[in-house]
Order: sequence, then structure tokens, then C-alpha cells
Amino acid sequence: DVKVTQSSRYLVKRTGEKVFLECVQDMDHENMFWYRQDPGLGLRLIYFSYDVKMKEKGDIPEGYSVSREKKERFSLILESASTNQTSMYLCASSLQGVVTDTQYFGPGTRLTVL
Amino acid sequence: GNSVTQMEGPVTLSEEAFLTINCTYTATGYPSLFWYVQYPGEGLQLLLKATKADDKGSNKGFEATYRKETTSFHLEKGSVQVSDSAVYFCALKKSSGDKLTFGTGTRLAVRP
Repeated sequence: DVKVTQSSRYLVKRTGEKVFLECVQDMDHENMFWYRQDPGLGLRLIYFSYDVKMKEKGDIPEGYSVSREKKERFSLILESASTNQTSMYLCASSLQGVVTDTQYFGPGTRLTVL
Repeated sequence: GNSVTQMEGPVTLSEEAFLTINCTYTATGYPSLFWYVQYPGEGLQLLLKATKADDKGSNKGFEATYRKETTSFHLEKGSVQVSDSAVYFCALKKSSGDKLTFGTGTRLAVRP
């Protein structure tokens, strides 16, 4: 059974803190993605990675960075958390170059920044 | 650029009612089209997909047909259940890439 796991389901941080969100997949997928989900806005892509140590900006990368040191792990970093980064964060992975393939999602991390 | 437009929710139905959630898209080329579902407290999971014009995706009683002429991929189910209460997302993937473009989601609530 395919699996994408995220390190926390719920997280509460203070403004200005550095925040790490971790994602691990066990499907040997090349691609990994970070989204944020907000009511009325759907899912918006923050960053994605198509290989170890490779990354590309998505639609809303400002205020975020990512790290991919190993194929199975993709981290999202908030260097200095702000209240407007309170959101649900979803990680996903997929095979590369297969247009018909789906993305597999983790359960999400609900981050609250006070 | 690519975009997906879904009907706004919430959609509230009684059990056994017929469901339609509209989805239209804008894209160049021949994208693949997907419906994802998000049950309360969970991540998204694939519900069904279609990869070329006139294809019909189906799963768990849900269906959607890829209509190139109307650039649509409407989701339908003949008889909804309370357990279908969830948020439904329409999405597309370009023929030349790996990224998904999502609609804003439609929340469905089914009353017993």
C-alpha cells in the first residue's frame, strides 16, 4: 500500500519561529510537492522537487524554502513564521514523466501561527 | 495558462439524490483530468481520472466524462450516501509536465 506520511497532524508555533514540516514517501517516487490549502482558494503549489537536491518554485514560494537530501524525504521550511502562514499543508509525491499518473497525498499538517 | 473552474459549494443533498458537480478547464494541448476527494480530517485521494477525449472515469459509483468540445469534466453520481460527504477537487495535468492544477474544491454535505 502506497504511503505518504507527514511528521505532524497539528502544529502551533509563534510568529518569528523557524518551522520544519517533514514529508516521507515509500514509493520510490521522483517527484515530491508541497501545497497549502485554504478555504475558497483550493490547493496552491508552494514548491516541488523532481530529484534529490533539485527544487522548483511553485505558485506561492515567498516565505518558504525546501530541502530534499534524500529521495524519500522532502522538507518544507518556514524561516520566520508569520500569521498569514496559518494553513493546512499537504505533501504529495508522484512518478516522473507519466502524464496519466496520479499524485499521492499525505494526511496534511494543520499549522497555526500565533 | 492552465486553469480549472468548479461550481461553488457547499452542495447539500438528501441521501439517494442525484449529484452533479461541474468542472470546466482551460488548457493547451491534451491534458489528463482528475477528480480527487478529501474526506474530513484526511488528505486528498484520487477518485477517478480520464486521459483523453471521450474517456469516462468511474469509481465508487461516481463517473465523469472528458468532453473536449465543451472543455468539461463534470462529476456525477446517481444516488449519494451520507459517507460521500467530503470536498471534491477537479484537477488537470498537462501532457508535458508533472504538476497538477486544481480547482478551488466543492464541499458536498449529504443529509440522512
